[in-house]
Amino acid sequence: GAVVSQHPSWVICKSGTSVKIECRSLDFQATTMFWYRQFPKQSLMLMATSNEGSKATYEQGVEKDKFLINHASLTLSTLTVTSAHPEDSSFYICSATPRGTNQPQHFGDGTRLSIL
Amino acid sequence: AQSVAQPEDQVNVAEGNPLTVKCTYSVSGNPYLFWYVQYPNRGLQFLLKYITGDNLVKGSYGFEAEFNKSQTSFHLKKPSALVSDSALYFCAVRDPYGGATNKLIFGTGTLLAVQP
Repeated sequence: GAVVSQHPSWVICKSGTSVKIECRSLDFQATTMFWYRQFPKQSLMLMATSNEGSKATYEQGVEKDKFLINHASLTLSTLTVTSAHPEDSSFYICSATPRGTNQPQHFGDGTRLSIL
Repeated sequence: AQSVAQPEDQVNVAEGNPLTVKCTYSVSGNPYLFWYVQYPNRGLQFLLKYITGDNLVKGSYGFEAEFNKSQTSFHLKKPSALVSDSALYFCAVRDPYGGATNKLIFGTGTLLAVQP
């Protein structure tokens, strides 16, 4: 149980294009999902907290106009990297938490984004 | 400030030997602690958690962790390491100011290398 699916797993695109990443909780409802960015050999950096039916909460230093987050349902959140540039190349990971306190976050398998 | 420390960037152990991956924390109130494992190009997998109760917590794949309040530690252990345990391990604590979101604060990660 508690499976999180993230799609696509790998994206290569040209500079200036926008890329959408989907995160789905397959067997549970998630009022909150999280989006992380991970650089090689480093820890996860929380980008934003995605709240179902409301605006995302962004961490300090993360451009909300650059990284658009939509959480339209209890099982789906999307991250759109707008006008992507090479410096946006990274490993993006989402997670979701089942309802209830003290539940662990369950993670997707990540999306490797490469901007040429 | 709330924080999690993993003092070792890498731990090397021979297959069949016991392993320990260290984690210490600094957090207000009662800590809710988690361990995750990450294999290359994958998301994080939940191993175990401590919320309350018995200080020795047993988790997936034969791992366990011991909560020590006086030393503010939550070290991950396994009696007999396998080569397949080689991966990146993250300790995390629930952010006490994250409200109902179960937001986590992650350590920097420890790379476990098990030699055959």
